[in-house]
Amino acid sequence: KNQVEQSPQSLIILEGKNCTLQCNYTVSPFSNLRWYKQDTGRGPVSLTIMTFSENTKSNGRYTATLDADTKQSSLHITASQLSDSASYICVVSDRGSTLGRLYFGRGTQLTVWP
Amino acid sequence: EADIYQTPRYLVIGTGKKITLECSQTMGHDKMYWYQQDPGMELHLIHYSYGVNSTEKGDLSSESTVSRIRTEHFPLTLESARPSHTSQYLCASSPSAPSYEQYFGPGTRLTVT
Repeated sequence: KNQVEQSPQSLIILEGKNCTLQCNYTVSPFSNLRWYKQDTGRGPVSLTIMTFSENTKSNGRYTATLDADTKQSSLHITASQLSDSASYICVVSDRGSTLGRLYFGRGTQLTVWP
Repeated sequence: EADIYQTPRYLVIGTGKKITLECSQTMGHDKMYWYQQDPGMELHLIHYSYGVNSTEKGDLSSESTVSRIRTEHFPLTLESARPSHTSQYLCASSPSAPSYEQYFGPGTRLTVT
């Protein structure tokens, strides 16, 4: 069964600190992995997309890593800001269909305190 | 920011009412999607479309229906709303391959009383 598991479920950090969010997946055949940021009451916004051959990708203070062998990914946030408070969702796409079906994790709810 | 719009943003209605959630995108994308998301839970695909006059049901069974008469417009309709339909509904679109990106709208928060 294709699944995406994220940890921790929630996380509280102080402004300026770094944090790392984890994602494990069982989706096969693998196409790509994405990290989205979803603010409360809003739609998800893409942060990074990585294919099988990529093992790291950065977007400003966000750095995602991918280990396709162990089927794990992480999202590292550097020097957190209050605006980083959101849900971070790991999404894996398969290549077994024309649609490129997406499998969503439940997200990690990050809260940044001043 | 993606040019994909959803209206209304919030809707509270009584049981048995017919509702239509609107979704429009100005990017000329062929593929469009509807997802349902409950608080703290993952997004579930309920409908998708490859293009005009193409609609398919997603992974999660839904009593809603969709139509795709124009490329830019992908409305979702509930003929008779029930409290179990209370949820957040997210619309998304993506260009045809090769592209991995899906662009999401802001969502509609539906509450059925």
